[in-house]
Amino acid sequence: GQQVMQIPQYQHVQEGEDFTTYCNSSTTLSNIQWYKQRPGGHPVFLIQLVKSGEVKKQKRLTFQFGEAKKNSSLHITATQTTDVGTYFCAGVSNSGYALNFGKGTSLLVTP
Amino acid sequence: ETGVTQTPRHLVMGMTNKKSLKCEQHLGHNAMYWYKQSAKKPLELMFVYNFKEQTENNSVPSRFSPECPNSSHLFLHLHTLQPEDSALYLCASSQVGTAGTGELFFGEGSRLTVL
Repeated sequence: GQQVMQIPQYQHVQEGEDFTTYCNSSTTLSNIQWYKQRPGGHPVFLIQLVKSGEVKKQKRLTFQFGEAKKNSSLHITATQTTDVGTYFCAGVSNSGYALNFGKGTSLLVTP
Repeated sequence: ETGVTQTPRHLVMGMTNKKSLKCEQHLGHNAMYWYKQSAKKPLELMFVYNFKEQTENNSVPSRFSPECPNSSHLFLHLHTLQPEDSALYLCASSQVGTAGTGELFFGEGSRLTVL
């Protein structure tokens, strides 16, 4: 089945530094979604990318979808303590719509 | 408040107990999901229901039995679980169309501990 790999597993940065997490799939994805889960919380949707080479921005967050639609990245500029949490990418499973999640990247930001 | 409500929030059970997790969505979505989240395998897809029909079962042991009586309710029946089944069980819903699924809305989760 479709596998979604994420790196790094953990990242610890000082507040103000940038952060990037990468997502790679073994197969071509029809689309990819990103979620954030705060400690003790549940995953919350951030964005969906559909088109090859697509780039979307949400304030300090920049999301990219690779040209081959097999990889994606999330970049956070000038991290803040409110960015702490685990960031997951998710690709579509064999059913055609259910999402398989990567293992996530846990971000810790220290002031 | 995400529109997806899970009960109970916490559950402790012995290996011989039978219990059920409940999920209800108030978003009018046509698909519902069970995910298992543990330290070893974060966000592992278990079951998928679309219009009450089970469309995916990711090789989940039979001690987990899902039930979807209608498009708004989803249950996970638990029987003779093992300690390694202790995890956070997350329910989610989404609207599935011809272009695939929209965003998933997750419930707060049910934290299960098996003694």
